[in-house]
Amino acid sequence: AQSVSQHNHHVILSEAASLELGCNYSYGGTVNLFWYVQYPGQHLQLLLKYFSGDPLVKGIKGFEAEFIKSKFSFNLRKPSVQWSDTAEYFCAVKGSQGNLIFGKGTKLSVKP
Amino acid sequence: DAGVIQSPRHEVTEMGQEVTLRCKPISGHDYLFWYRQTMMRGLELLIYFNNNVPIDDSGMPEDRFSAKMPNASFSTLKIQPSEPRDSAVYFCASSFSVVGYTFGSGTRLTVV
Repeated sequence: AQSVSQHNHHVILSEAASLELGCNYSYGGTVNLFWYVQYPGQHLQLLLKYFSGDPLVKGIKGFEAEFIKSKFSFNLRKPSVQWSDTAEYFCAVKGSQGNLIFGKGTKLSVKP
Repeated sequence: DAGVIQSPRHEVTEMGQEVTLRCKPISGHDYLFWYRQTMMRGLELLIYFNNNVPIDDSGMPEDRFSAKMPNASFSTLKIQPSEPRDSAVYFCASSFSVVGYTFGSGTRLTVV
């Protein structure tokens, strides 16, 4: 079965620290990968997506993610986090039937 | 474009009552998804439609839940009868060929 694993349930960082959130997927076909962000009390918004081409994808607000096919990974990174990055982050892969399969999410808390 | 529009934003109802949640997807989108989000279970896919046809309703928790999409611009999720454990935020999302979902602002349902 297709699945997405996010390793960390809750990450706590100080401002200016670097961020890396892990995401692994299990899917043997052509992969379309996504990261979504959900700020407190809001809906999910697309951060970035990978369909093909350069495996290093740049998204909004300084986020980037790297697709490593051999590791089935699509980790999210940001060199220096801000307090406003406090949110929940969801990794997702497009399934064979056209739906998105989401991971359980990682809560990021950034201390000012 | 106004985005995905959900109504109501908040709903408080008594146990046993019927609840109807509404969603207007983005014009031209051919996929529509209903999700439920709780602290305990995270983001759960309930059902999704492609071109107004239900594709997968395996996530619908039980027969009390039903969803319809009578046309390309409207969908409903109905719970009858409602129970306290149905309290959650219900999100609708739409996409064009799953290039990336756009989520609505959600309906926060409280069943007392």
